[in-house]
Parts: sequence; C-alpha cells; structure tokens
Amino acid sequence: QSALTQPASVSGSPGQSITISCTGTSSDVGRYNLVSWYQQHPEKAPKLIIYEGTQRPSGVSNRFSGSKSGNTASLTISGLQAEDEADYYCCSYTTTSTVVFGGGTKLTVL
Amino acid sequence: QVQLVQSGAEVKKPGASVKVSCKASGYTFTRHAMHWVRQAPGQRLEWMGWINAGNDNTKYSQKFQGRGTITWDTSASTAYMELRSLKSEDTAVYYCARGWQGAFDFWGQGTMVTVSS
Repeated sequence: QSALTQPASVSGSPGQSITISCTGTSSDVGRYNLVSWYQQHPEKAPKLIIYEGTQRPSGVSNRFSGSKSGNTASLTISGLQAEDEADYYCCSYTTTSTVVFGGGTKLTVL
Repeated sequence: QVQLVQSGAEVKKPGASVKVSCKASGYTFTRHAMHWVRQAPGQRLEWMGWINAGNDNTKYSQKFQGRGTITWDTSASTAYMELRSLKSEDTAVYYCARGWQGAFDFWGQGTMVTVSS
C-alpha cells in the first residue's frame, strides 16, 4: 500500500489560511468517508484534529476544517497562529481493512 | 479518562525480537480496536496493524505480515506488539493508538526502539 500524497511543506503568515491536500486512490480516500488528520509537534505523539473527513473532535479549534472531493482530501487551517506550526498527516482506511498514512506536511508559520 | 501507557525504551541487536506493551484504562476495551503505528527518525507515520480487543481478530500491513504480532491480554488490559528479526531500519518510535470512528483518538506516549549492533 503506497502512502497517500501530501505536499512536503506549506507556509503562511499569522492570520492567513492554508490548505493541505492529500491524494489517494479509489481504494482508500475515494472509497470511504474515513479520512482523518493529525497534528504532530516535535517529539510529541500525534493529535487527532479531523475524523470522518470533516468532523472535529471535542476541543479542537474550529479554525481546522476538512473536506474531500473524489480521491483527494484537504485540511484547511484558517487564522494561522504560531502554535499551528507542526507536521500534519492525513490517514485513510482502505478496501483491504488496512490503514494508510500520508507522507506528512511540514507547516511553517512565517 | 482514557489513558494508554506504553513500556520503556528498548535497545536491541539485529536479528533479535522486541515486545512493546500498551496498558489501557478509562474505557470499555471491547468497543475499540487497538492500532500500532511507528515513526522512524525524521520520517512519516507508518501503520503496522490492529487488533479487535473484543474478539482478538488482527490485521497487519503487508510490510509487517509474518514478522509482527499484535496481541491483547484482557486480564491486564494491555495490548502488545512484538516485532521479530529486527533490522536497523526498524529503529523508530512505536505508538499504540485507540481506534474510534475510523480514526485514532487517543495515543500512547511512544516507545523508542533502537536496533544497533
């Protein structure tokens, strides 16, 4: 199972919005509404920020939003803040009952 | 509250095996799968496999099929991940994570496994 495709890096200034894409196939991202997104700060465990493509867990800021079109899912962060600087990973279930992560995207807040 | 507490760091020689534990508390175990995810230094997250704590069914990534085993000890409320025939490329932080709504909502603190001669 190949990793989902994410841009290696994105950047934005405080207050701006950025979008991170996550491209898979019809056997994973395109097949189910089971895409999740994780934020990971250095030396920390990942934190769930989006599940089922668009849902935010309790306690996660509404500045984080998710969407999907075909085989591509997207994470948008609005009103960028310094603490948003982290690595972001998308994840999807697959038709073989396995799970695949994206390659990860490093977000830099300028 | 939900907690996943993992065992401590390990240093192993190539060809050896390692067994990492993940003690769960604060929820009904049979309602959630337990997944294992690893992350080599500076690399991406990599899913390894999962176990259904209710019936012990397991599923593994093709990469770990045959070399990895995930088990669940109901009496100890603990999941285990064993990896055999270790190679230097297995040096990574290993995480357990609770399955929920098709995602992983709680994670262990991570266990560093170093494979070096």
